[in-house]
Amino acid sequence: DVQLVESGGSLIQPGRSLRLSCKVSGFDIGDYGLSWVRQSPGKGLEWLGFMRSNSYGGTTELATSIRGRFFISRDDSKNMAFLQMNSLLPDDTGVYYCARDGVITAILAYWGQGTLVTVSS
Amino acid sequence: DIQMTQSPSSLSASIGDTVTITCRASQGIRNDLSWYQQKPGKAPQRLIYSVSSLHDGVPSRFSGRRSGTEFTLTISSLQPEDFATYFCLQHNTYPLTFGQGTRVDLK
Repeated sequence: DVQLVESGGSLIQPGRSLRLSCKVSGFDIGDYGLSWVRQSPGKGLEWLGFMRSNSYGGTTELATSIRGRFFISRDDSKNMAFLQMNSLLPDDTGVYYCARDGVITAILAYWGQGTLVTVSS
Repeated sequence: DIQMTQSPSSLSASIGDTVTITCRASQGIRNDLSWYQQKPGKAPQRLIYSVSSLHDGVPSRFSGRRSGTEFTLTISSLQPEDFATYFCLQHNTYPLTFGQGTRVDLK
């Protein structure tokens, strides 16, 4: 079965950094791209970004709202993807999901269960 | 960004009813439209991709159609497990964008 499991969410102060992890199983991570999506009561579902398979350069597409603050990476040898979040704002509060995509385009076919990030002083 | 206008925001229905949810895209997105179901405290799960193709294991009472930039999700013969929130997603153009969701609850 395709599985994605996020971790790393926590209560964190504004301005700090946090790295979320996504551990995948049930498929070859190298064959797929991976996206991050967040959900918050005020904004609903918001796609954050996508990283292509390394076979297609591992390039990323990012939402304008997070460019320069959030970064997506992957370590296929560990079956993991990461979302590095810097300079966190209260507006970044929400549940963060990783999702399996196609090889070169984001399609959000399978999702993890999510991890909660709360940005508050 | 492409805006996805989803309606209604909520609806009440009975077991066995047929319900229809609509998403309208602010510009053409070809067939790059998926539908998701989300239950409280759970992640969204894809129901339909490419307008009308059922995701693995999704019952055939779920169906999707397209007319231009208007997309519909129909649930025929609503079952107890179908009470949930439904979202559309366009993945034609970055950034991907979602509809605001439709909550389906028991009348």
